[in-house]
Amino acid sequence: SAVISQKPSRDICQRGTSLTIQCQVDSQVTMMFWYRQQPGQSLTLIATANQGSEATYESGFVIDKFPISRPNLTFSTLTVSNMSPEDSSIYLCSVGSTGEQYFGPGTRLTVT
Amino acid sequence: AQKVTQAQTEISVVEKEDVTLDCVYETRDTTYYLFWYKQPPSGELVFLIRRNSFDEQNEISGRYSWNFQKSTSSFNFTITASQVVDSAVYFCALHLRPSNTGKLIFGQGTTLQVKP
Repeated sequence: SAVISQKPSRDICQRGTSLTIQCQVDSQVTMMFWYRQQPGQSLTLIATANQGSEATYESGFVIDKFPISRPNLTFSTLTVSNMSPEDSSIYLCSVGSTGEQYFGPGTRLTVT
Repeated sequence: AQKVTQAQTEISVVEKEDVTLDCVYETRDTTYYLFWYKQPPSGELVFLIRRNSFDEQNEISGRYSWNFQKSTSSFNFTITASQVVDSAVYFCALHLRPSNTGKLIFGQGTTLQVKP
């Protein structure tokens, strides 16, 4: 299994600002994933980040709103841009290959 | 289309009761993985089990057991002799094979409350 850490663990941000969330893995992985969990809801995949290529976004998510970087095989960042209260969620980083998926502890974001 | 349905939104039991969490999935693919995750109030997702679509053997791990039935597209999760620490949201998820995205499709989750 992989050990995943995320920073920050939580934050309270003002409307219109941006927040960058970091995800660090203790081993090299090909694919990293970013999920969003809105309050009381299930998890939804935002995008898949492969090292050396642009992230692949799911329907309903766009790069301008959620830019992602993947500079190496152990690290990725997700930025939530121009935030609104609707962006208040838990954002989770995940790694895995076919059949194995592990999640970071999540970043709890509140937008006021 | 792929979909995971957890019809039970909330379940409340008294400690030591057995409880079963239902999961029904939809996919036209013949190869896939099914998962259960636990999300305690702290928010992290804890991996519980992964089941390959070709392996219909039921599994038991301590107080936890899983019943996988392809005929009914169900992958139910039973906690025996529940404890207060089992209180959490439980998610069932589907992962298609082969997949270049590694995307997990989650059910809506079942909130389990175990009362002392």
